[in-house]
Amino acid sequence: GDSVTQMEGPVTLSEEAFLTINCTYTATGYPSLFWYVQYPGEGLQLLLKATKADDKGSNKGFEATYRKETTSFHLEKGSVQVSDSAVYFCALILNAGNMLTFGGGTRLMVKP
Amino acid sequence: DAGVTQSPTHLIKTRGQHVTLRCSPISGHKSVSWYQQVLGQGPQFIFQYYEKEERGRGNFPDRFSARQFPNYSSELNVNALLLGDSALYLCASNLGGSYGYTFGSGTRLTVV
Repeated sequence: GDSVTQMEGPVTLSEEAFLTINCTYTATGYPSLFWYVQYPGEGLQLLLKATKADDKGSNKGFEATYRKETTSFHLEKGSVQVSDSAVYFCALILNAGNMLTFGGGTRLMVKP
Repeated sequence: DAGVTQSPTHLIKTRGQHVTLRCSPISGHKSVSWYQQVLGQGPQFIFQYYEKEERGRGNFPDRFSARQFPNYSSELNVNALLLGDSALYLCASNLGGSYGYTFGSGTRLTVV
């Protein structure tokens, strides 16, 4: 079946450090890929998405590129802030599918 | 514009009881999906409803059921609660198709 694997956290960084959170996937079809962010006590917020190979999703300084050859969608940010501290989820949905498949989440902690 | 609203935000139930969770989608969204997020894990798909019909069901026991009303709001029902049902239950809505899911803040269910 379809699955998403993320690097385990927590990831602890100092403010202004470079962030990478790895995400790889397996899918029976051709998926769209997403990164969601969850702040403490809240639901999920869509951070960025990519719907086809080589697409780059970007939002709020975060970027991720859909790499079909490596089945990856790694999240990056050049300079993190304390306010970026949250749990990040990588997810996929098959085209014409009806369910999101999530990874286990990666907690990011940014220290001043 | 109101986002996806869920009620209640928190509740505590005893093993064996029944619970009903409610979700109101974004205005104009005809699809509602339910996810269970156990602490420290990624969300797991439970149901999707579109135009009042069930369009998908995840790997959950028959104790879980749902329905969608003519105004596109939805209820998730769980019978014979178990301790393992303790989780954050998330509702998501979209216009239909595979994109643009917006999540609510969730209902935190604790079974004691």
